[in-house]
Amino acid sequence: DTAVSQTPKYLVTQMGNDKSIKCEQNLGHDTMYWYKQDSKKFLKIMFSYNNKELIINETVPNRFSPKSPDKAHLNLHINSLELGDSAVYFCASSLALRETQYFGPGTRLLVL
Amino acid sequence: EDKVVQSPLSLVVHEGDTVTLNCSYEVTNFRSLLWYKQEKKAPTFLFMLTSSGIEKKSGRLSSILDKKELFSILNITATQTGDSAIYLCAVISGAGSYQLTFGKGTKLSVIP
Repeated sequence: DTAVSQTPKYLVTQMGNDKSIKCEQNLGHDTMYWYKQDSKKFLKIMFSYNNKELIINETVPNRFSPKSPDKAHLNLHINSLELGDSAVYFCASSLALRETQYFGPGTRLLVL
Repeated sequence: EDKVVQSPLSLVVHEGDTVTLNCSYEVTNFRSLLWYKQEKKAPTFLFMLTSSGIEKKSGRLSSILDKKELFSILNITATQTGDSAIYLCAVISGAGSYQLTFGKGTKLSVIP
């Protein structure tokens, strides 16, 4: 069984569109994360969500909004997509903050 | 079990001092090492190191990885009070799916 899953795996869309990426974990973890891996392969944390508390990385544009319907899901919604948003987005989860994080397979987003 | 150990756990220095923070690791299928700065909420990405011996530099901060001896150092020169934070080291490992293991952090306090 997949521990951390993301959908879709690939997403190609046009500038200005709004899109969502979904993440689900079946590990019973309390904390979930979104990371962005850019073209230089740098992996940068965007958000972490611990139980009911959303921790926002202030360098992320407010076009990006995480939404967590419950502890097992953390979706990423992106408004008004821009070319620079093209990247691979990884979801991860951990038992608690700073515990080992387990990654999903990634979603490759291409904005045209 | 993957392990990331940071030292020292805490450090107090005066403004202008140079500090070196250490991170050693024992993981299976090492992929990358990341350094983060955490002040209040989400950690802020500093560096991602994948290759040995290549120094990454950003202003007064620099970092280098030694994959043979399994460690990395983070140097901060001419420290300022704004450098006070917890510095986190994390290692990405894994062959198929990835995992990210954090060290416990080094708490740096810079006093005027």
